[in-house]
Amino acid sequence: QLQLRESGPGTMKPSETLSLTCIVSGGSISSTNYYWGWVRQPPGKGLEWIGNIYFNGSPYYNPSLKSRVTISVDTSKNQFSLKLTSVTAADTAVYYCARFIGVPAADPWGQGTLVTVSS
Amino acid sequence: QSVLTQPPSMSGTPGQRVTISCSGSSSNIGSNTVNWYQQLPGRAPKLLFYTNTQRPSGVPDRFSASKSGTSASLAISGLQSEDDADYYCAAWDDNLSGVVFGGGTRLSVL
Repeated sequence: QLQLRESGPGTMKPSETLSLTCIVSGGSISSTNYYWGWVRQPPGKGLEWIGNIYFNGSPYYNPSLKSRVTISVDTSKNQFSLKLTSVTAADTAVYYCARFIGVPAADPWGQGTLVTVSS
Repeated sequence: QSVLTQPPSMSGTPGQRVTISCSGSSSNIGSNTVNWYQQLPGRAPKLLFYTNTQRPSGVPDRFSASKSGTSASLAISGLQSEDDADYYCAAWDDNLSGVVFGGGTRLSVL
């Protein structure tokens, strides 16, 4: 059974770069049938799509975040990553990684990791 | 303000049927498929429907989905206490070149 698990810093300061990794187990990230991606959810609010990547293709991002976001895949480690530069308090959210059986059909999801940006 | 519009909250009693709406436009629901998610309190979202009406294995057939024009809906029949959750619709938007979510509907089972 495919499982995803996010790892990240927990707390960070404004202007820093957020780095999150999603470790995929129980299946290969190199599968030709799926995309991989990130979604976030600010506390008490709705879901926001961040972006997706195919294992050997170009990523595509939410236009509102595109200037600050990078998503990459490491097939040797069966994981993919998110980098978000110049974070502010508005980036405080639970960040989820997910496999996409089509965009935007995400299944399954990781458990999520809370990232808090505070000075 | 979300691109896809859902009612913020709804309620029902056990056994009832409820329908959650999701309204969009020609650039999203009108030209692309709709997906639905269920998010139980404190949990990650779970895919309920993809490609408008396709139900992943494990999703009870009490749940059904439909799409017409620029709107979609999720119906839950025989409401149960475990259906108490947030529900989100999502679609690709051609104008924004990205995924858009509805603002979510908080369903309370009284």
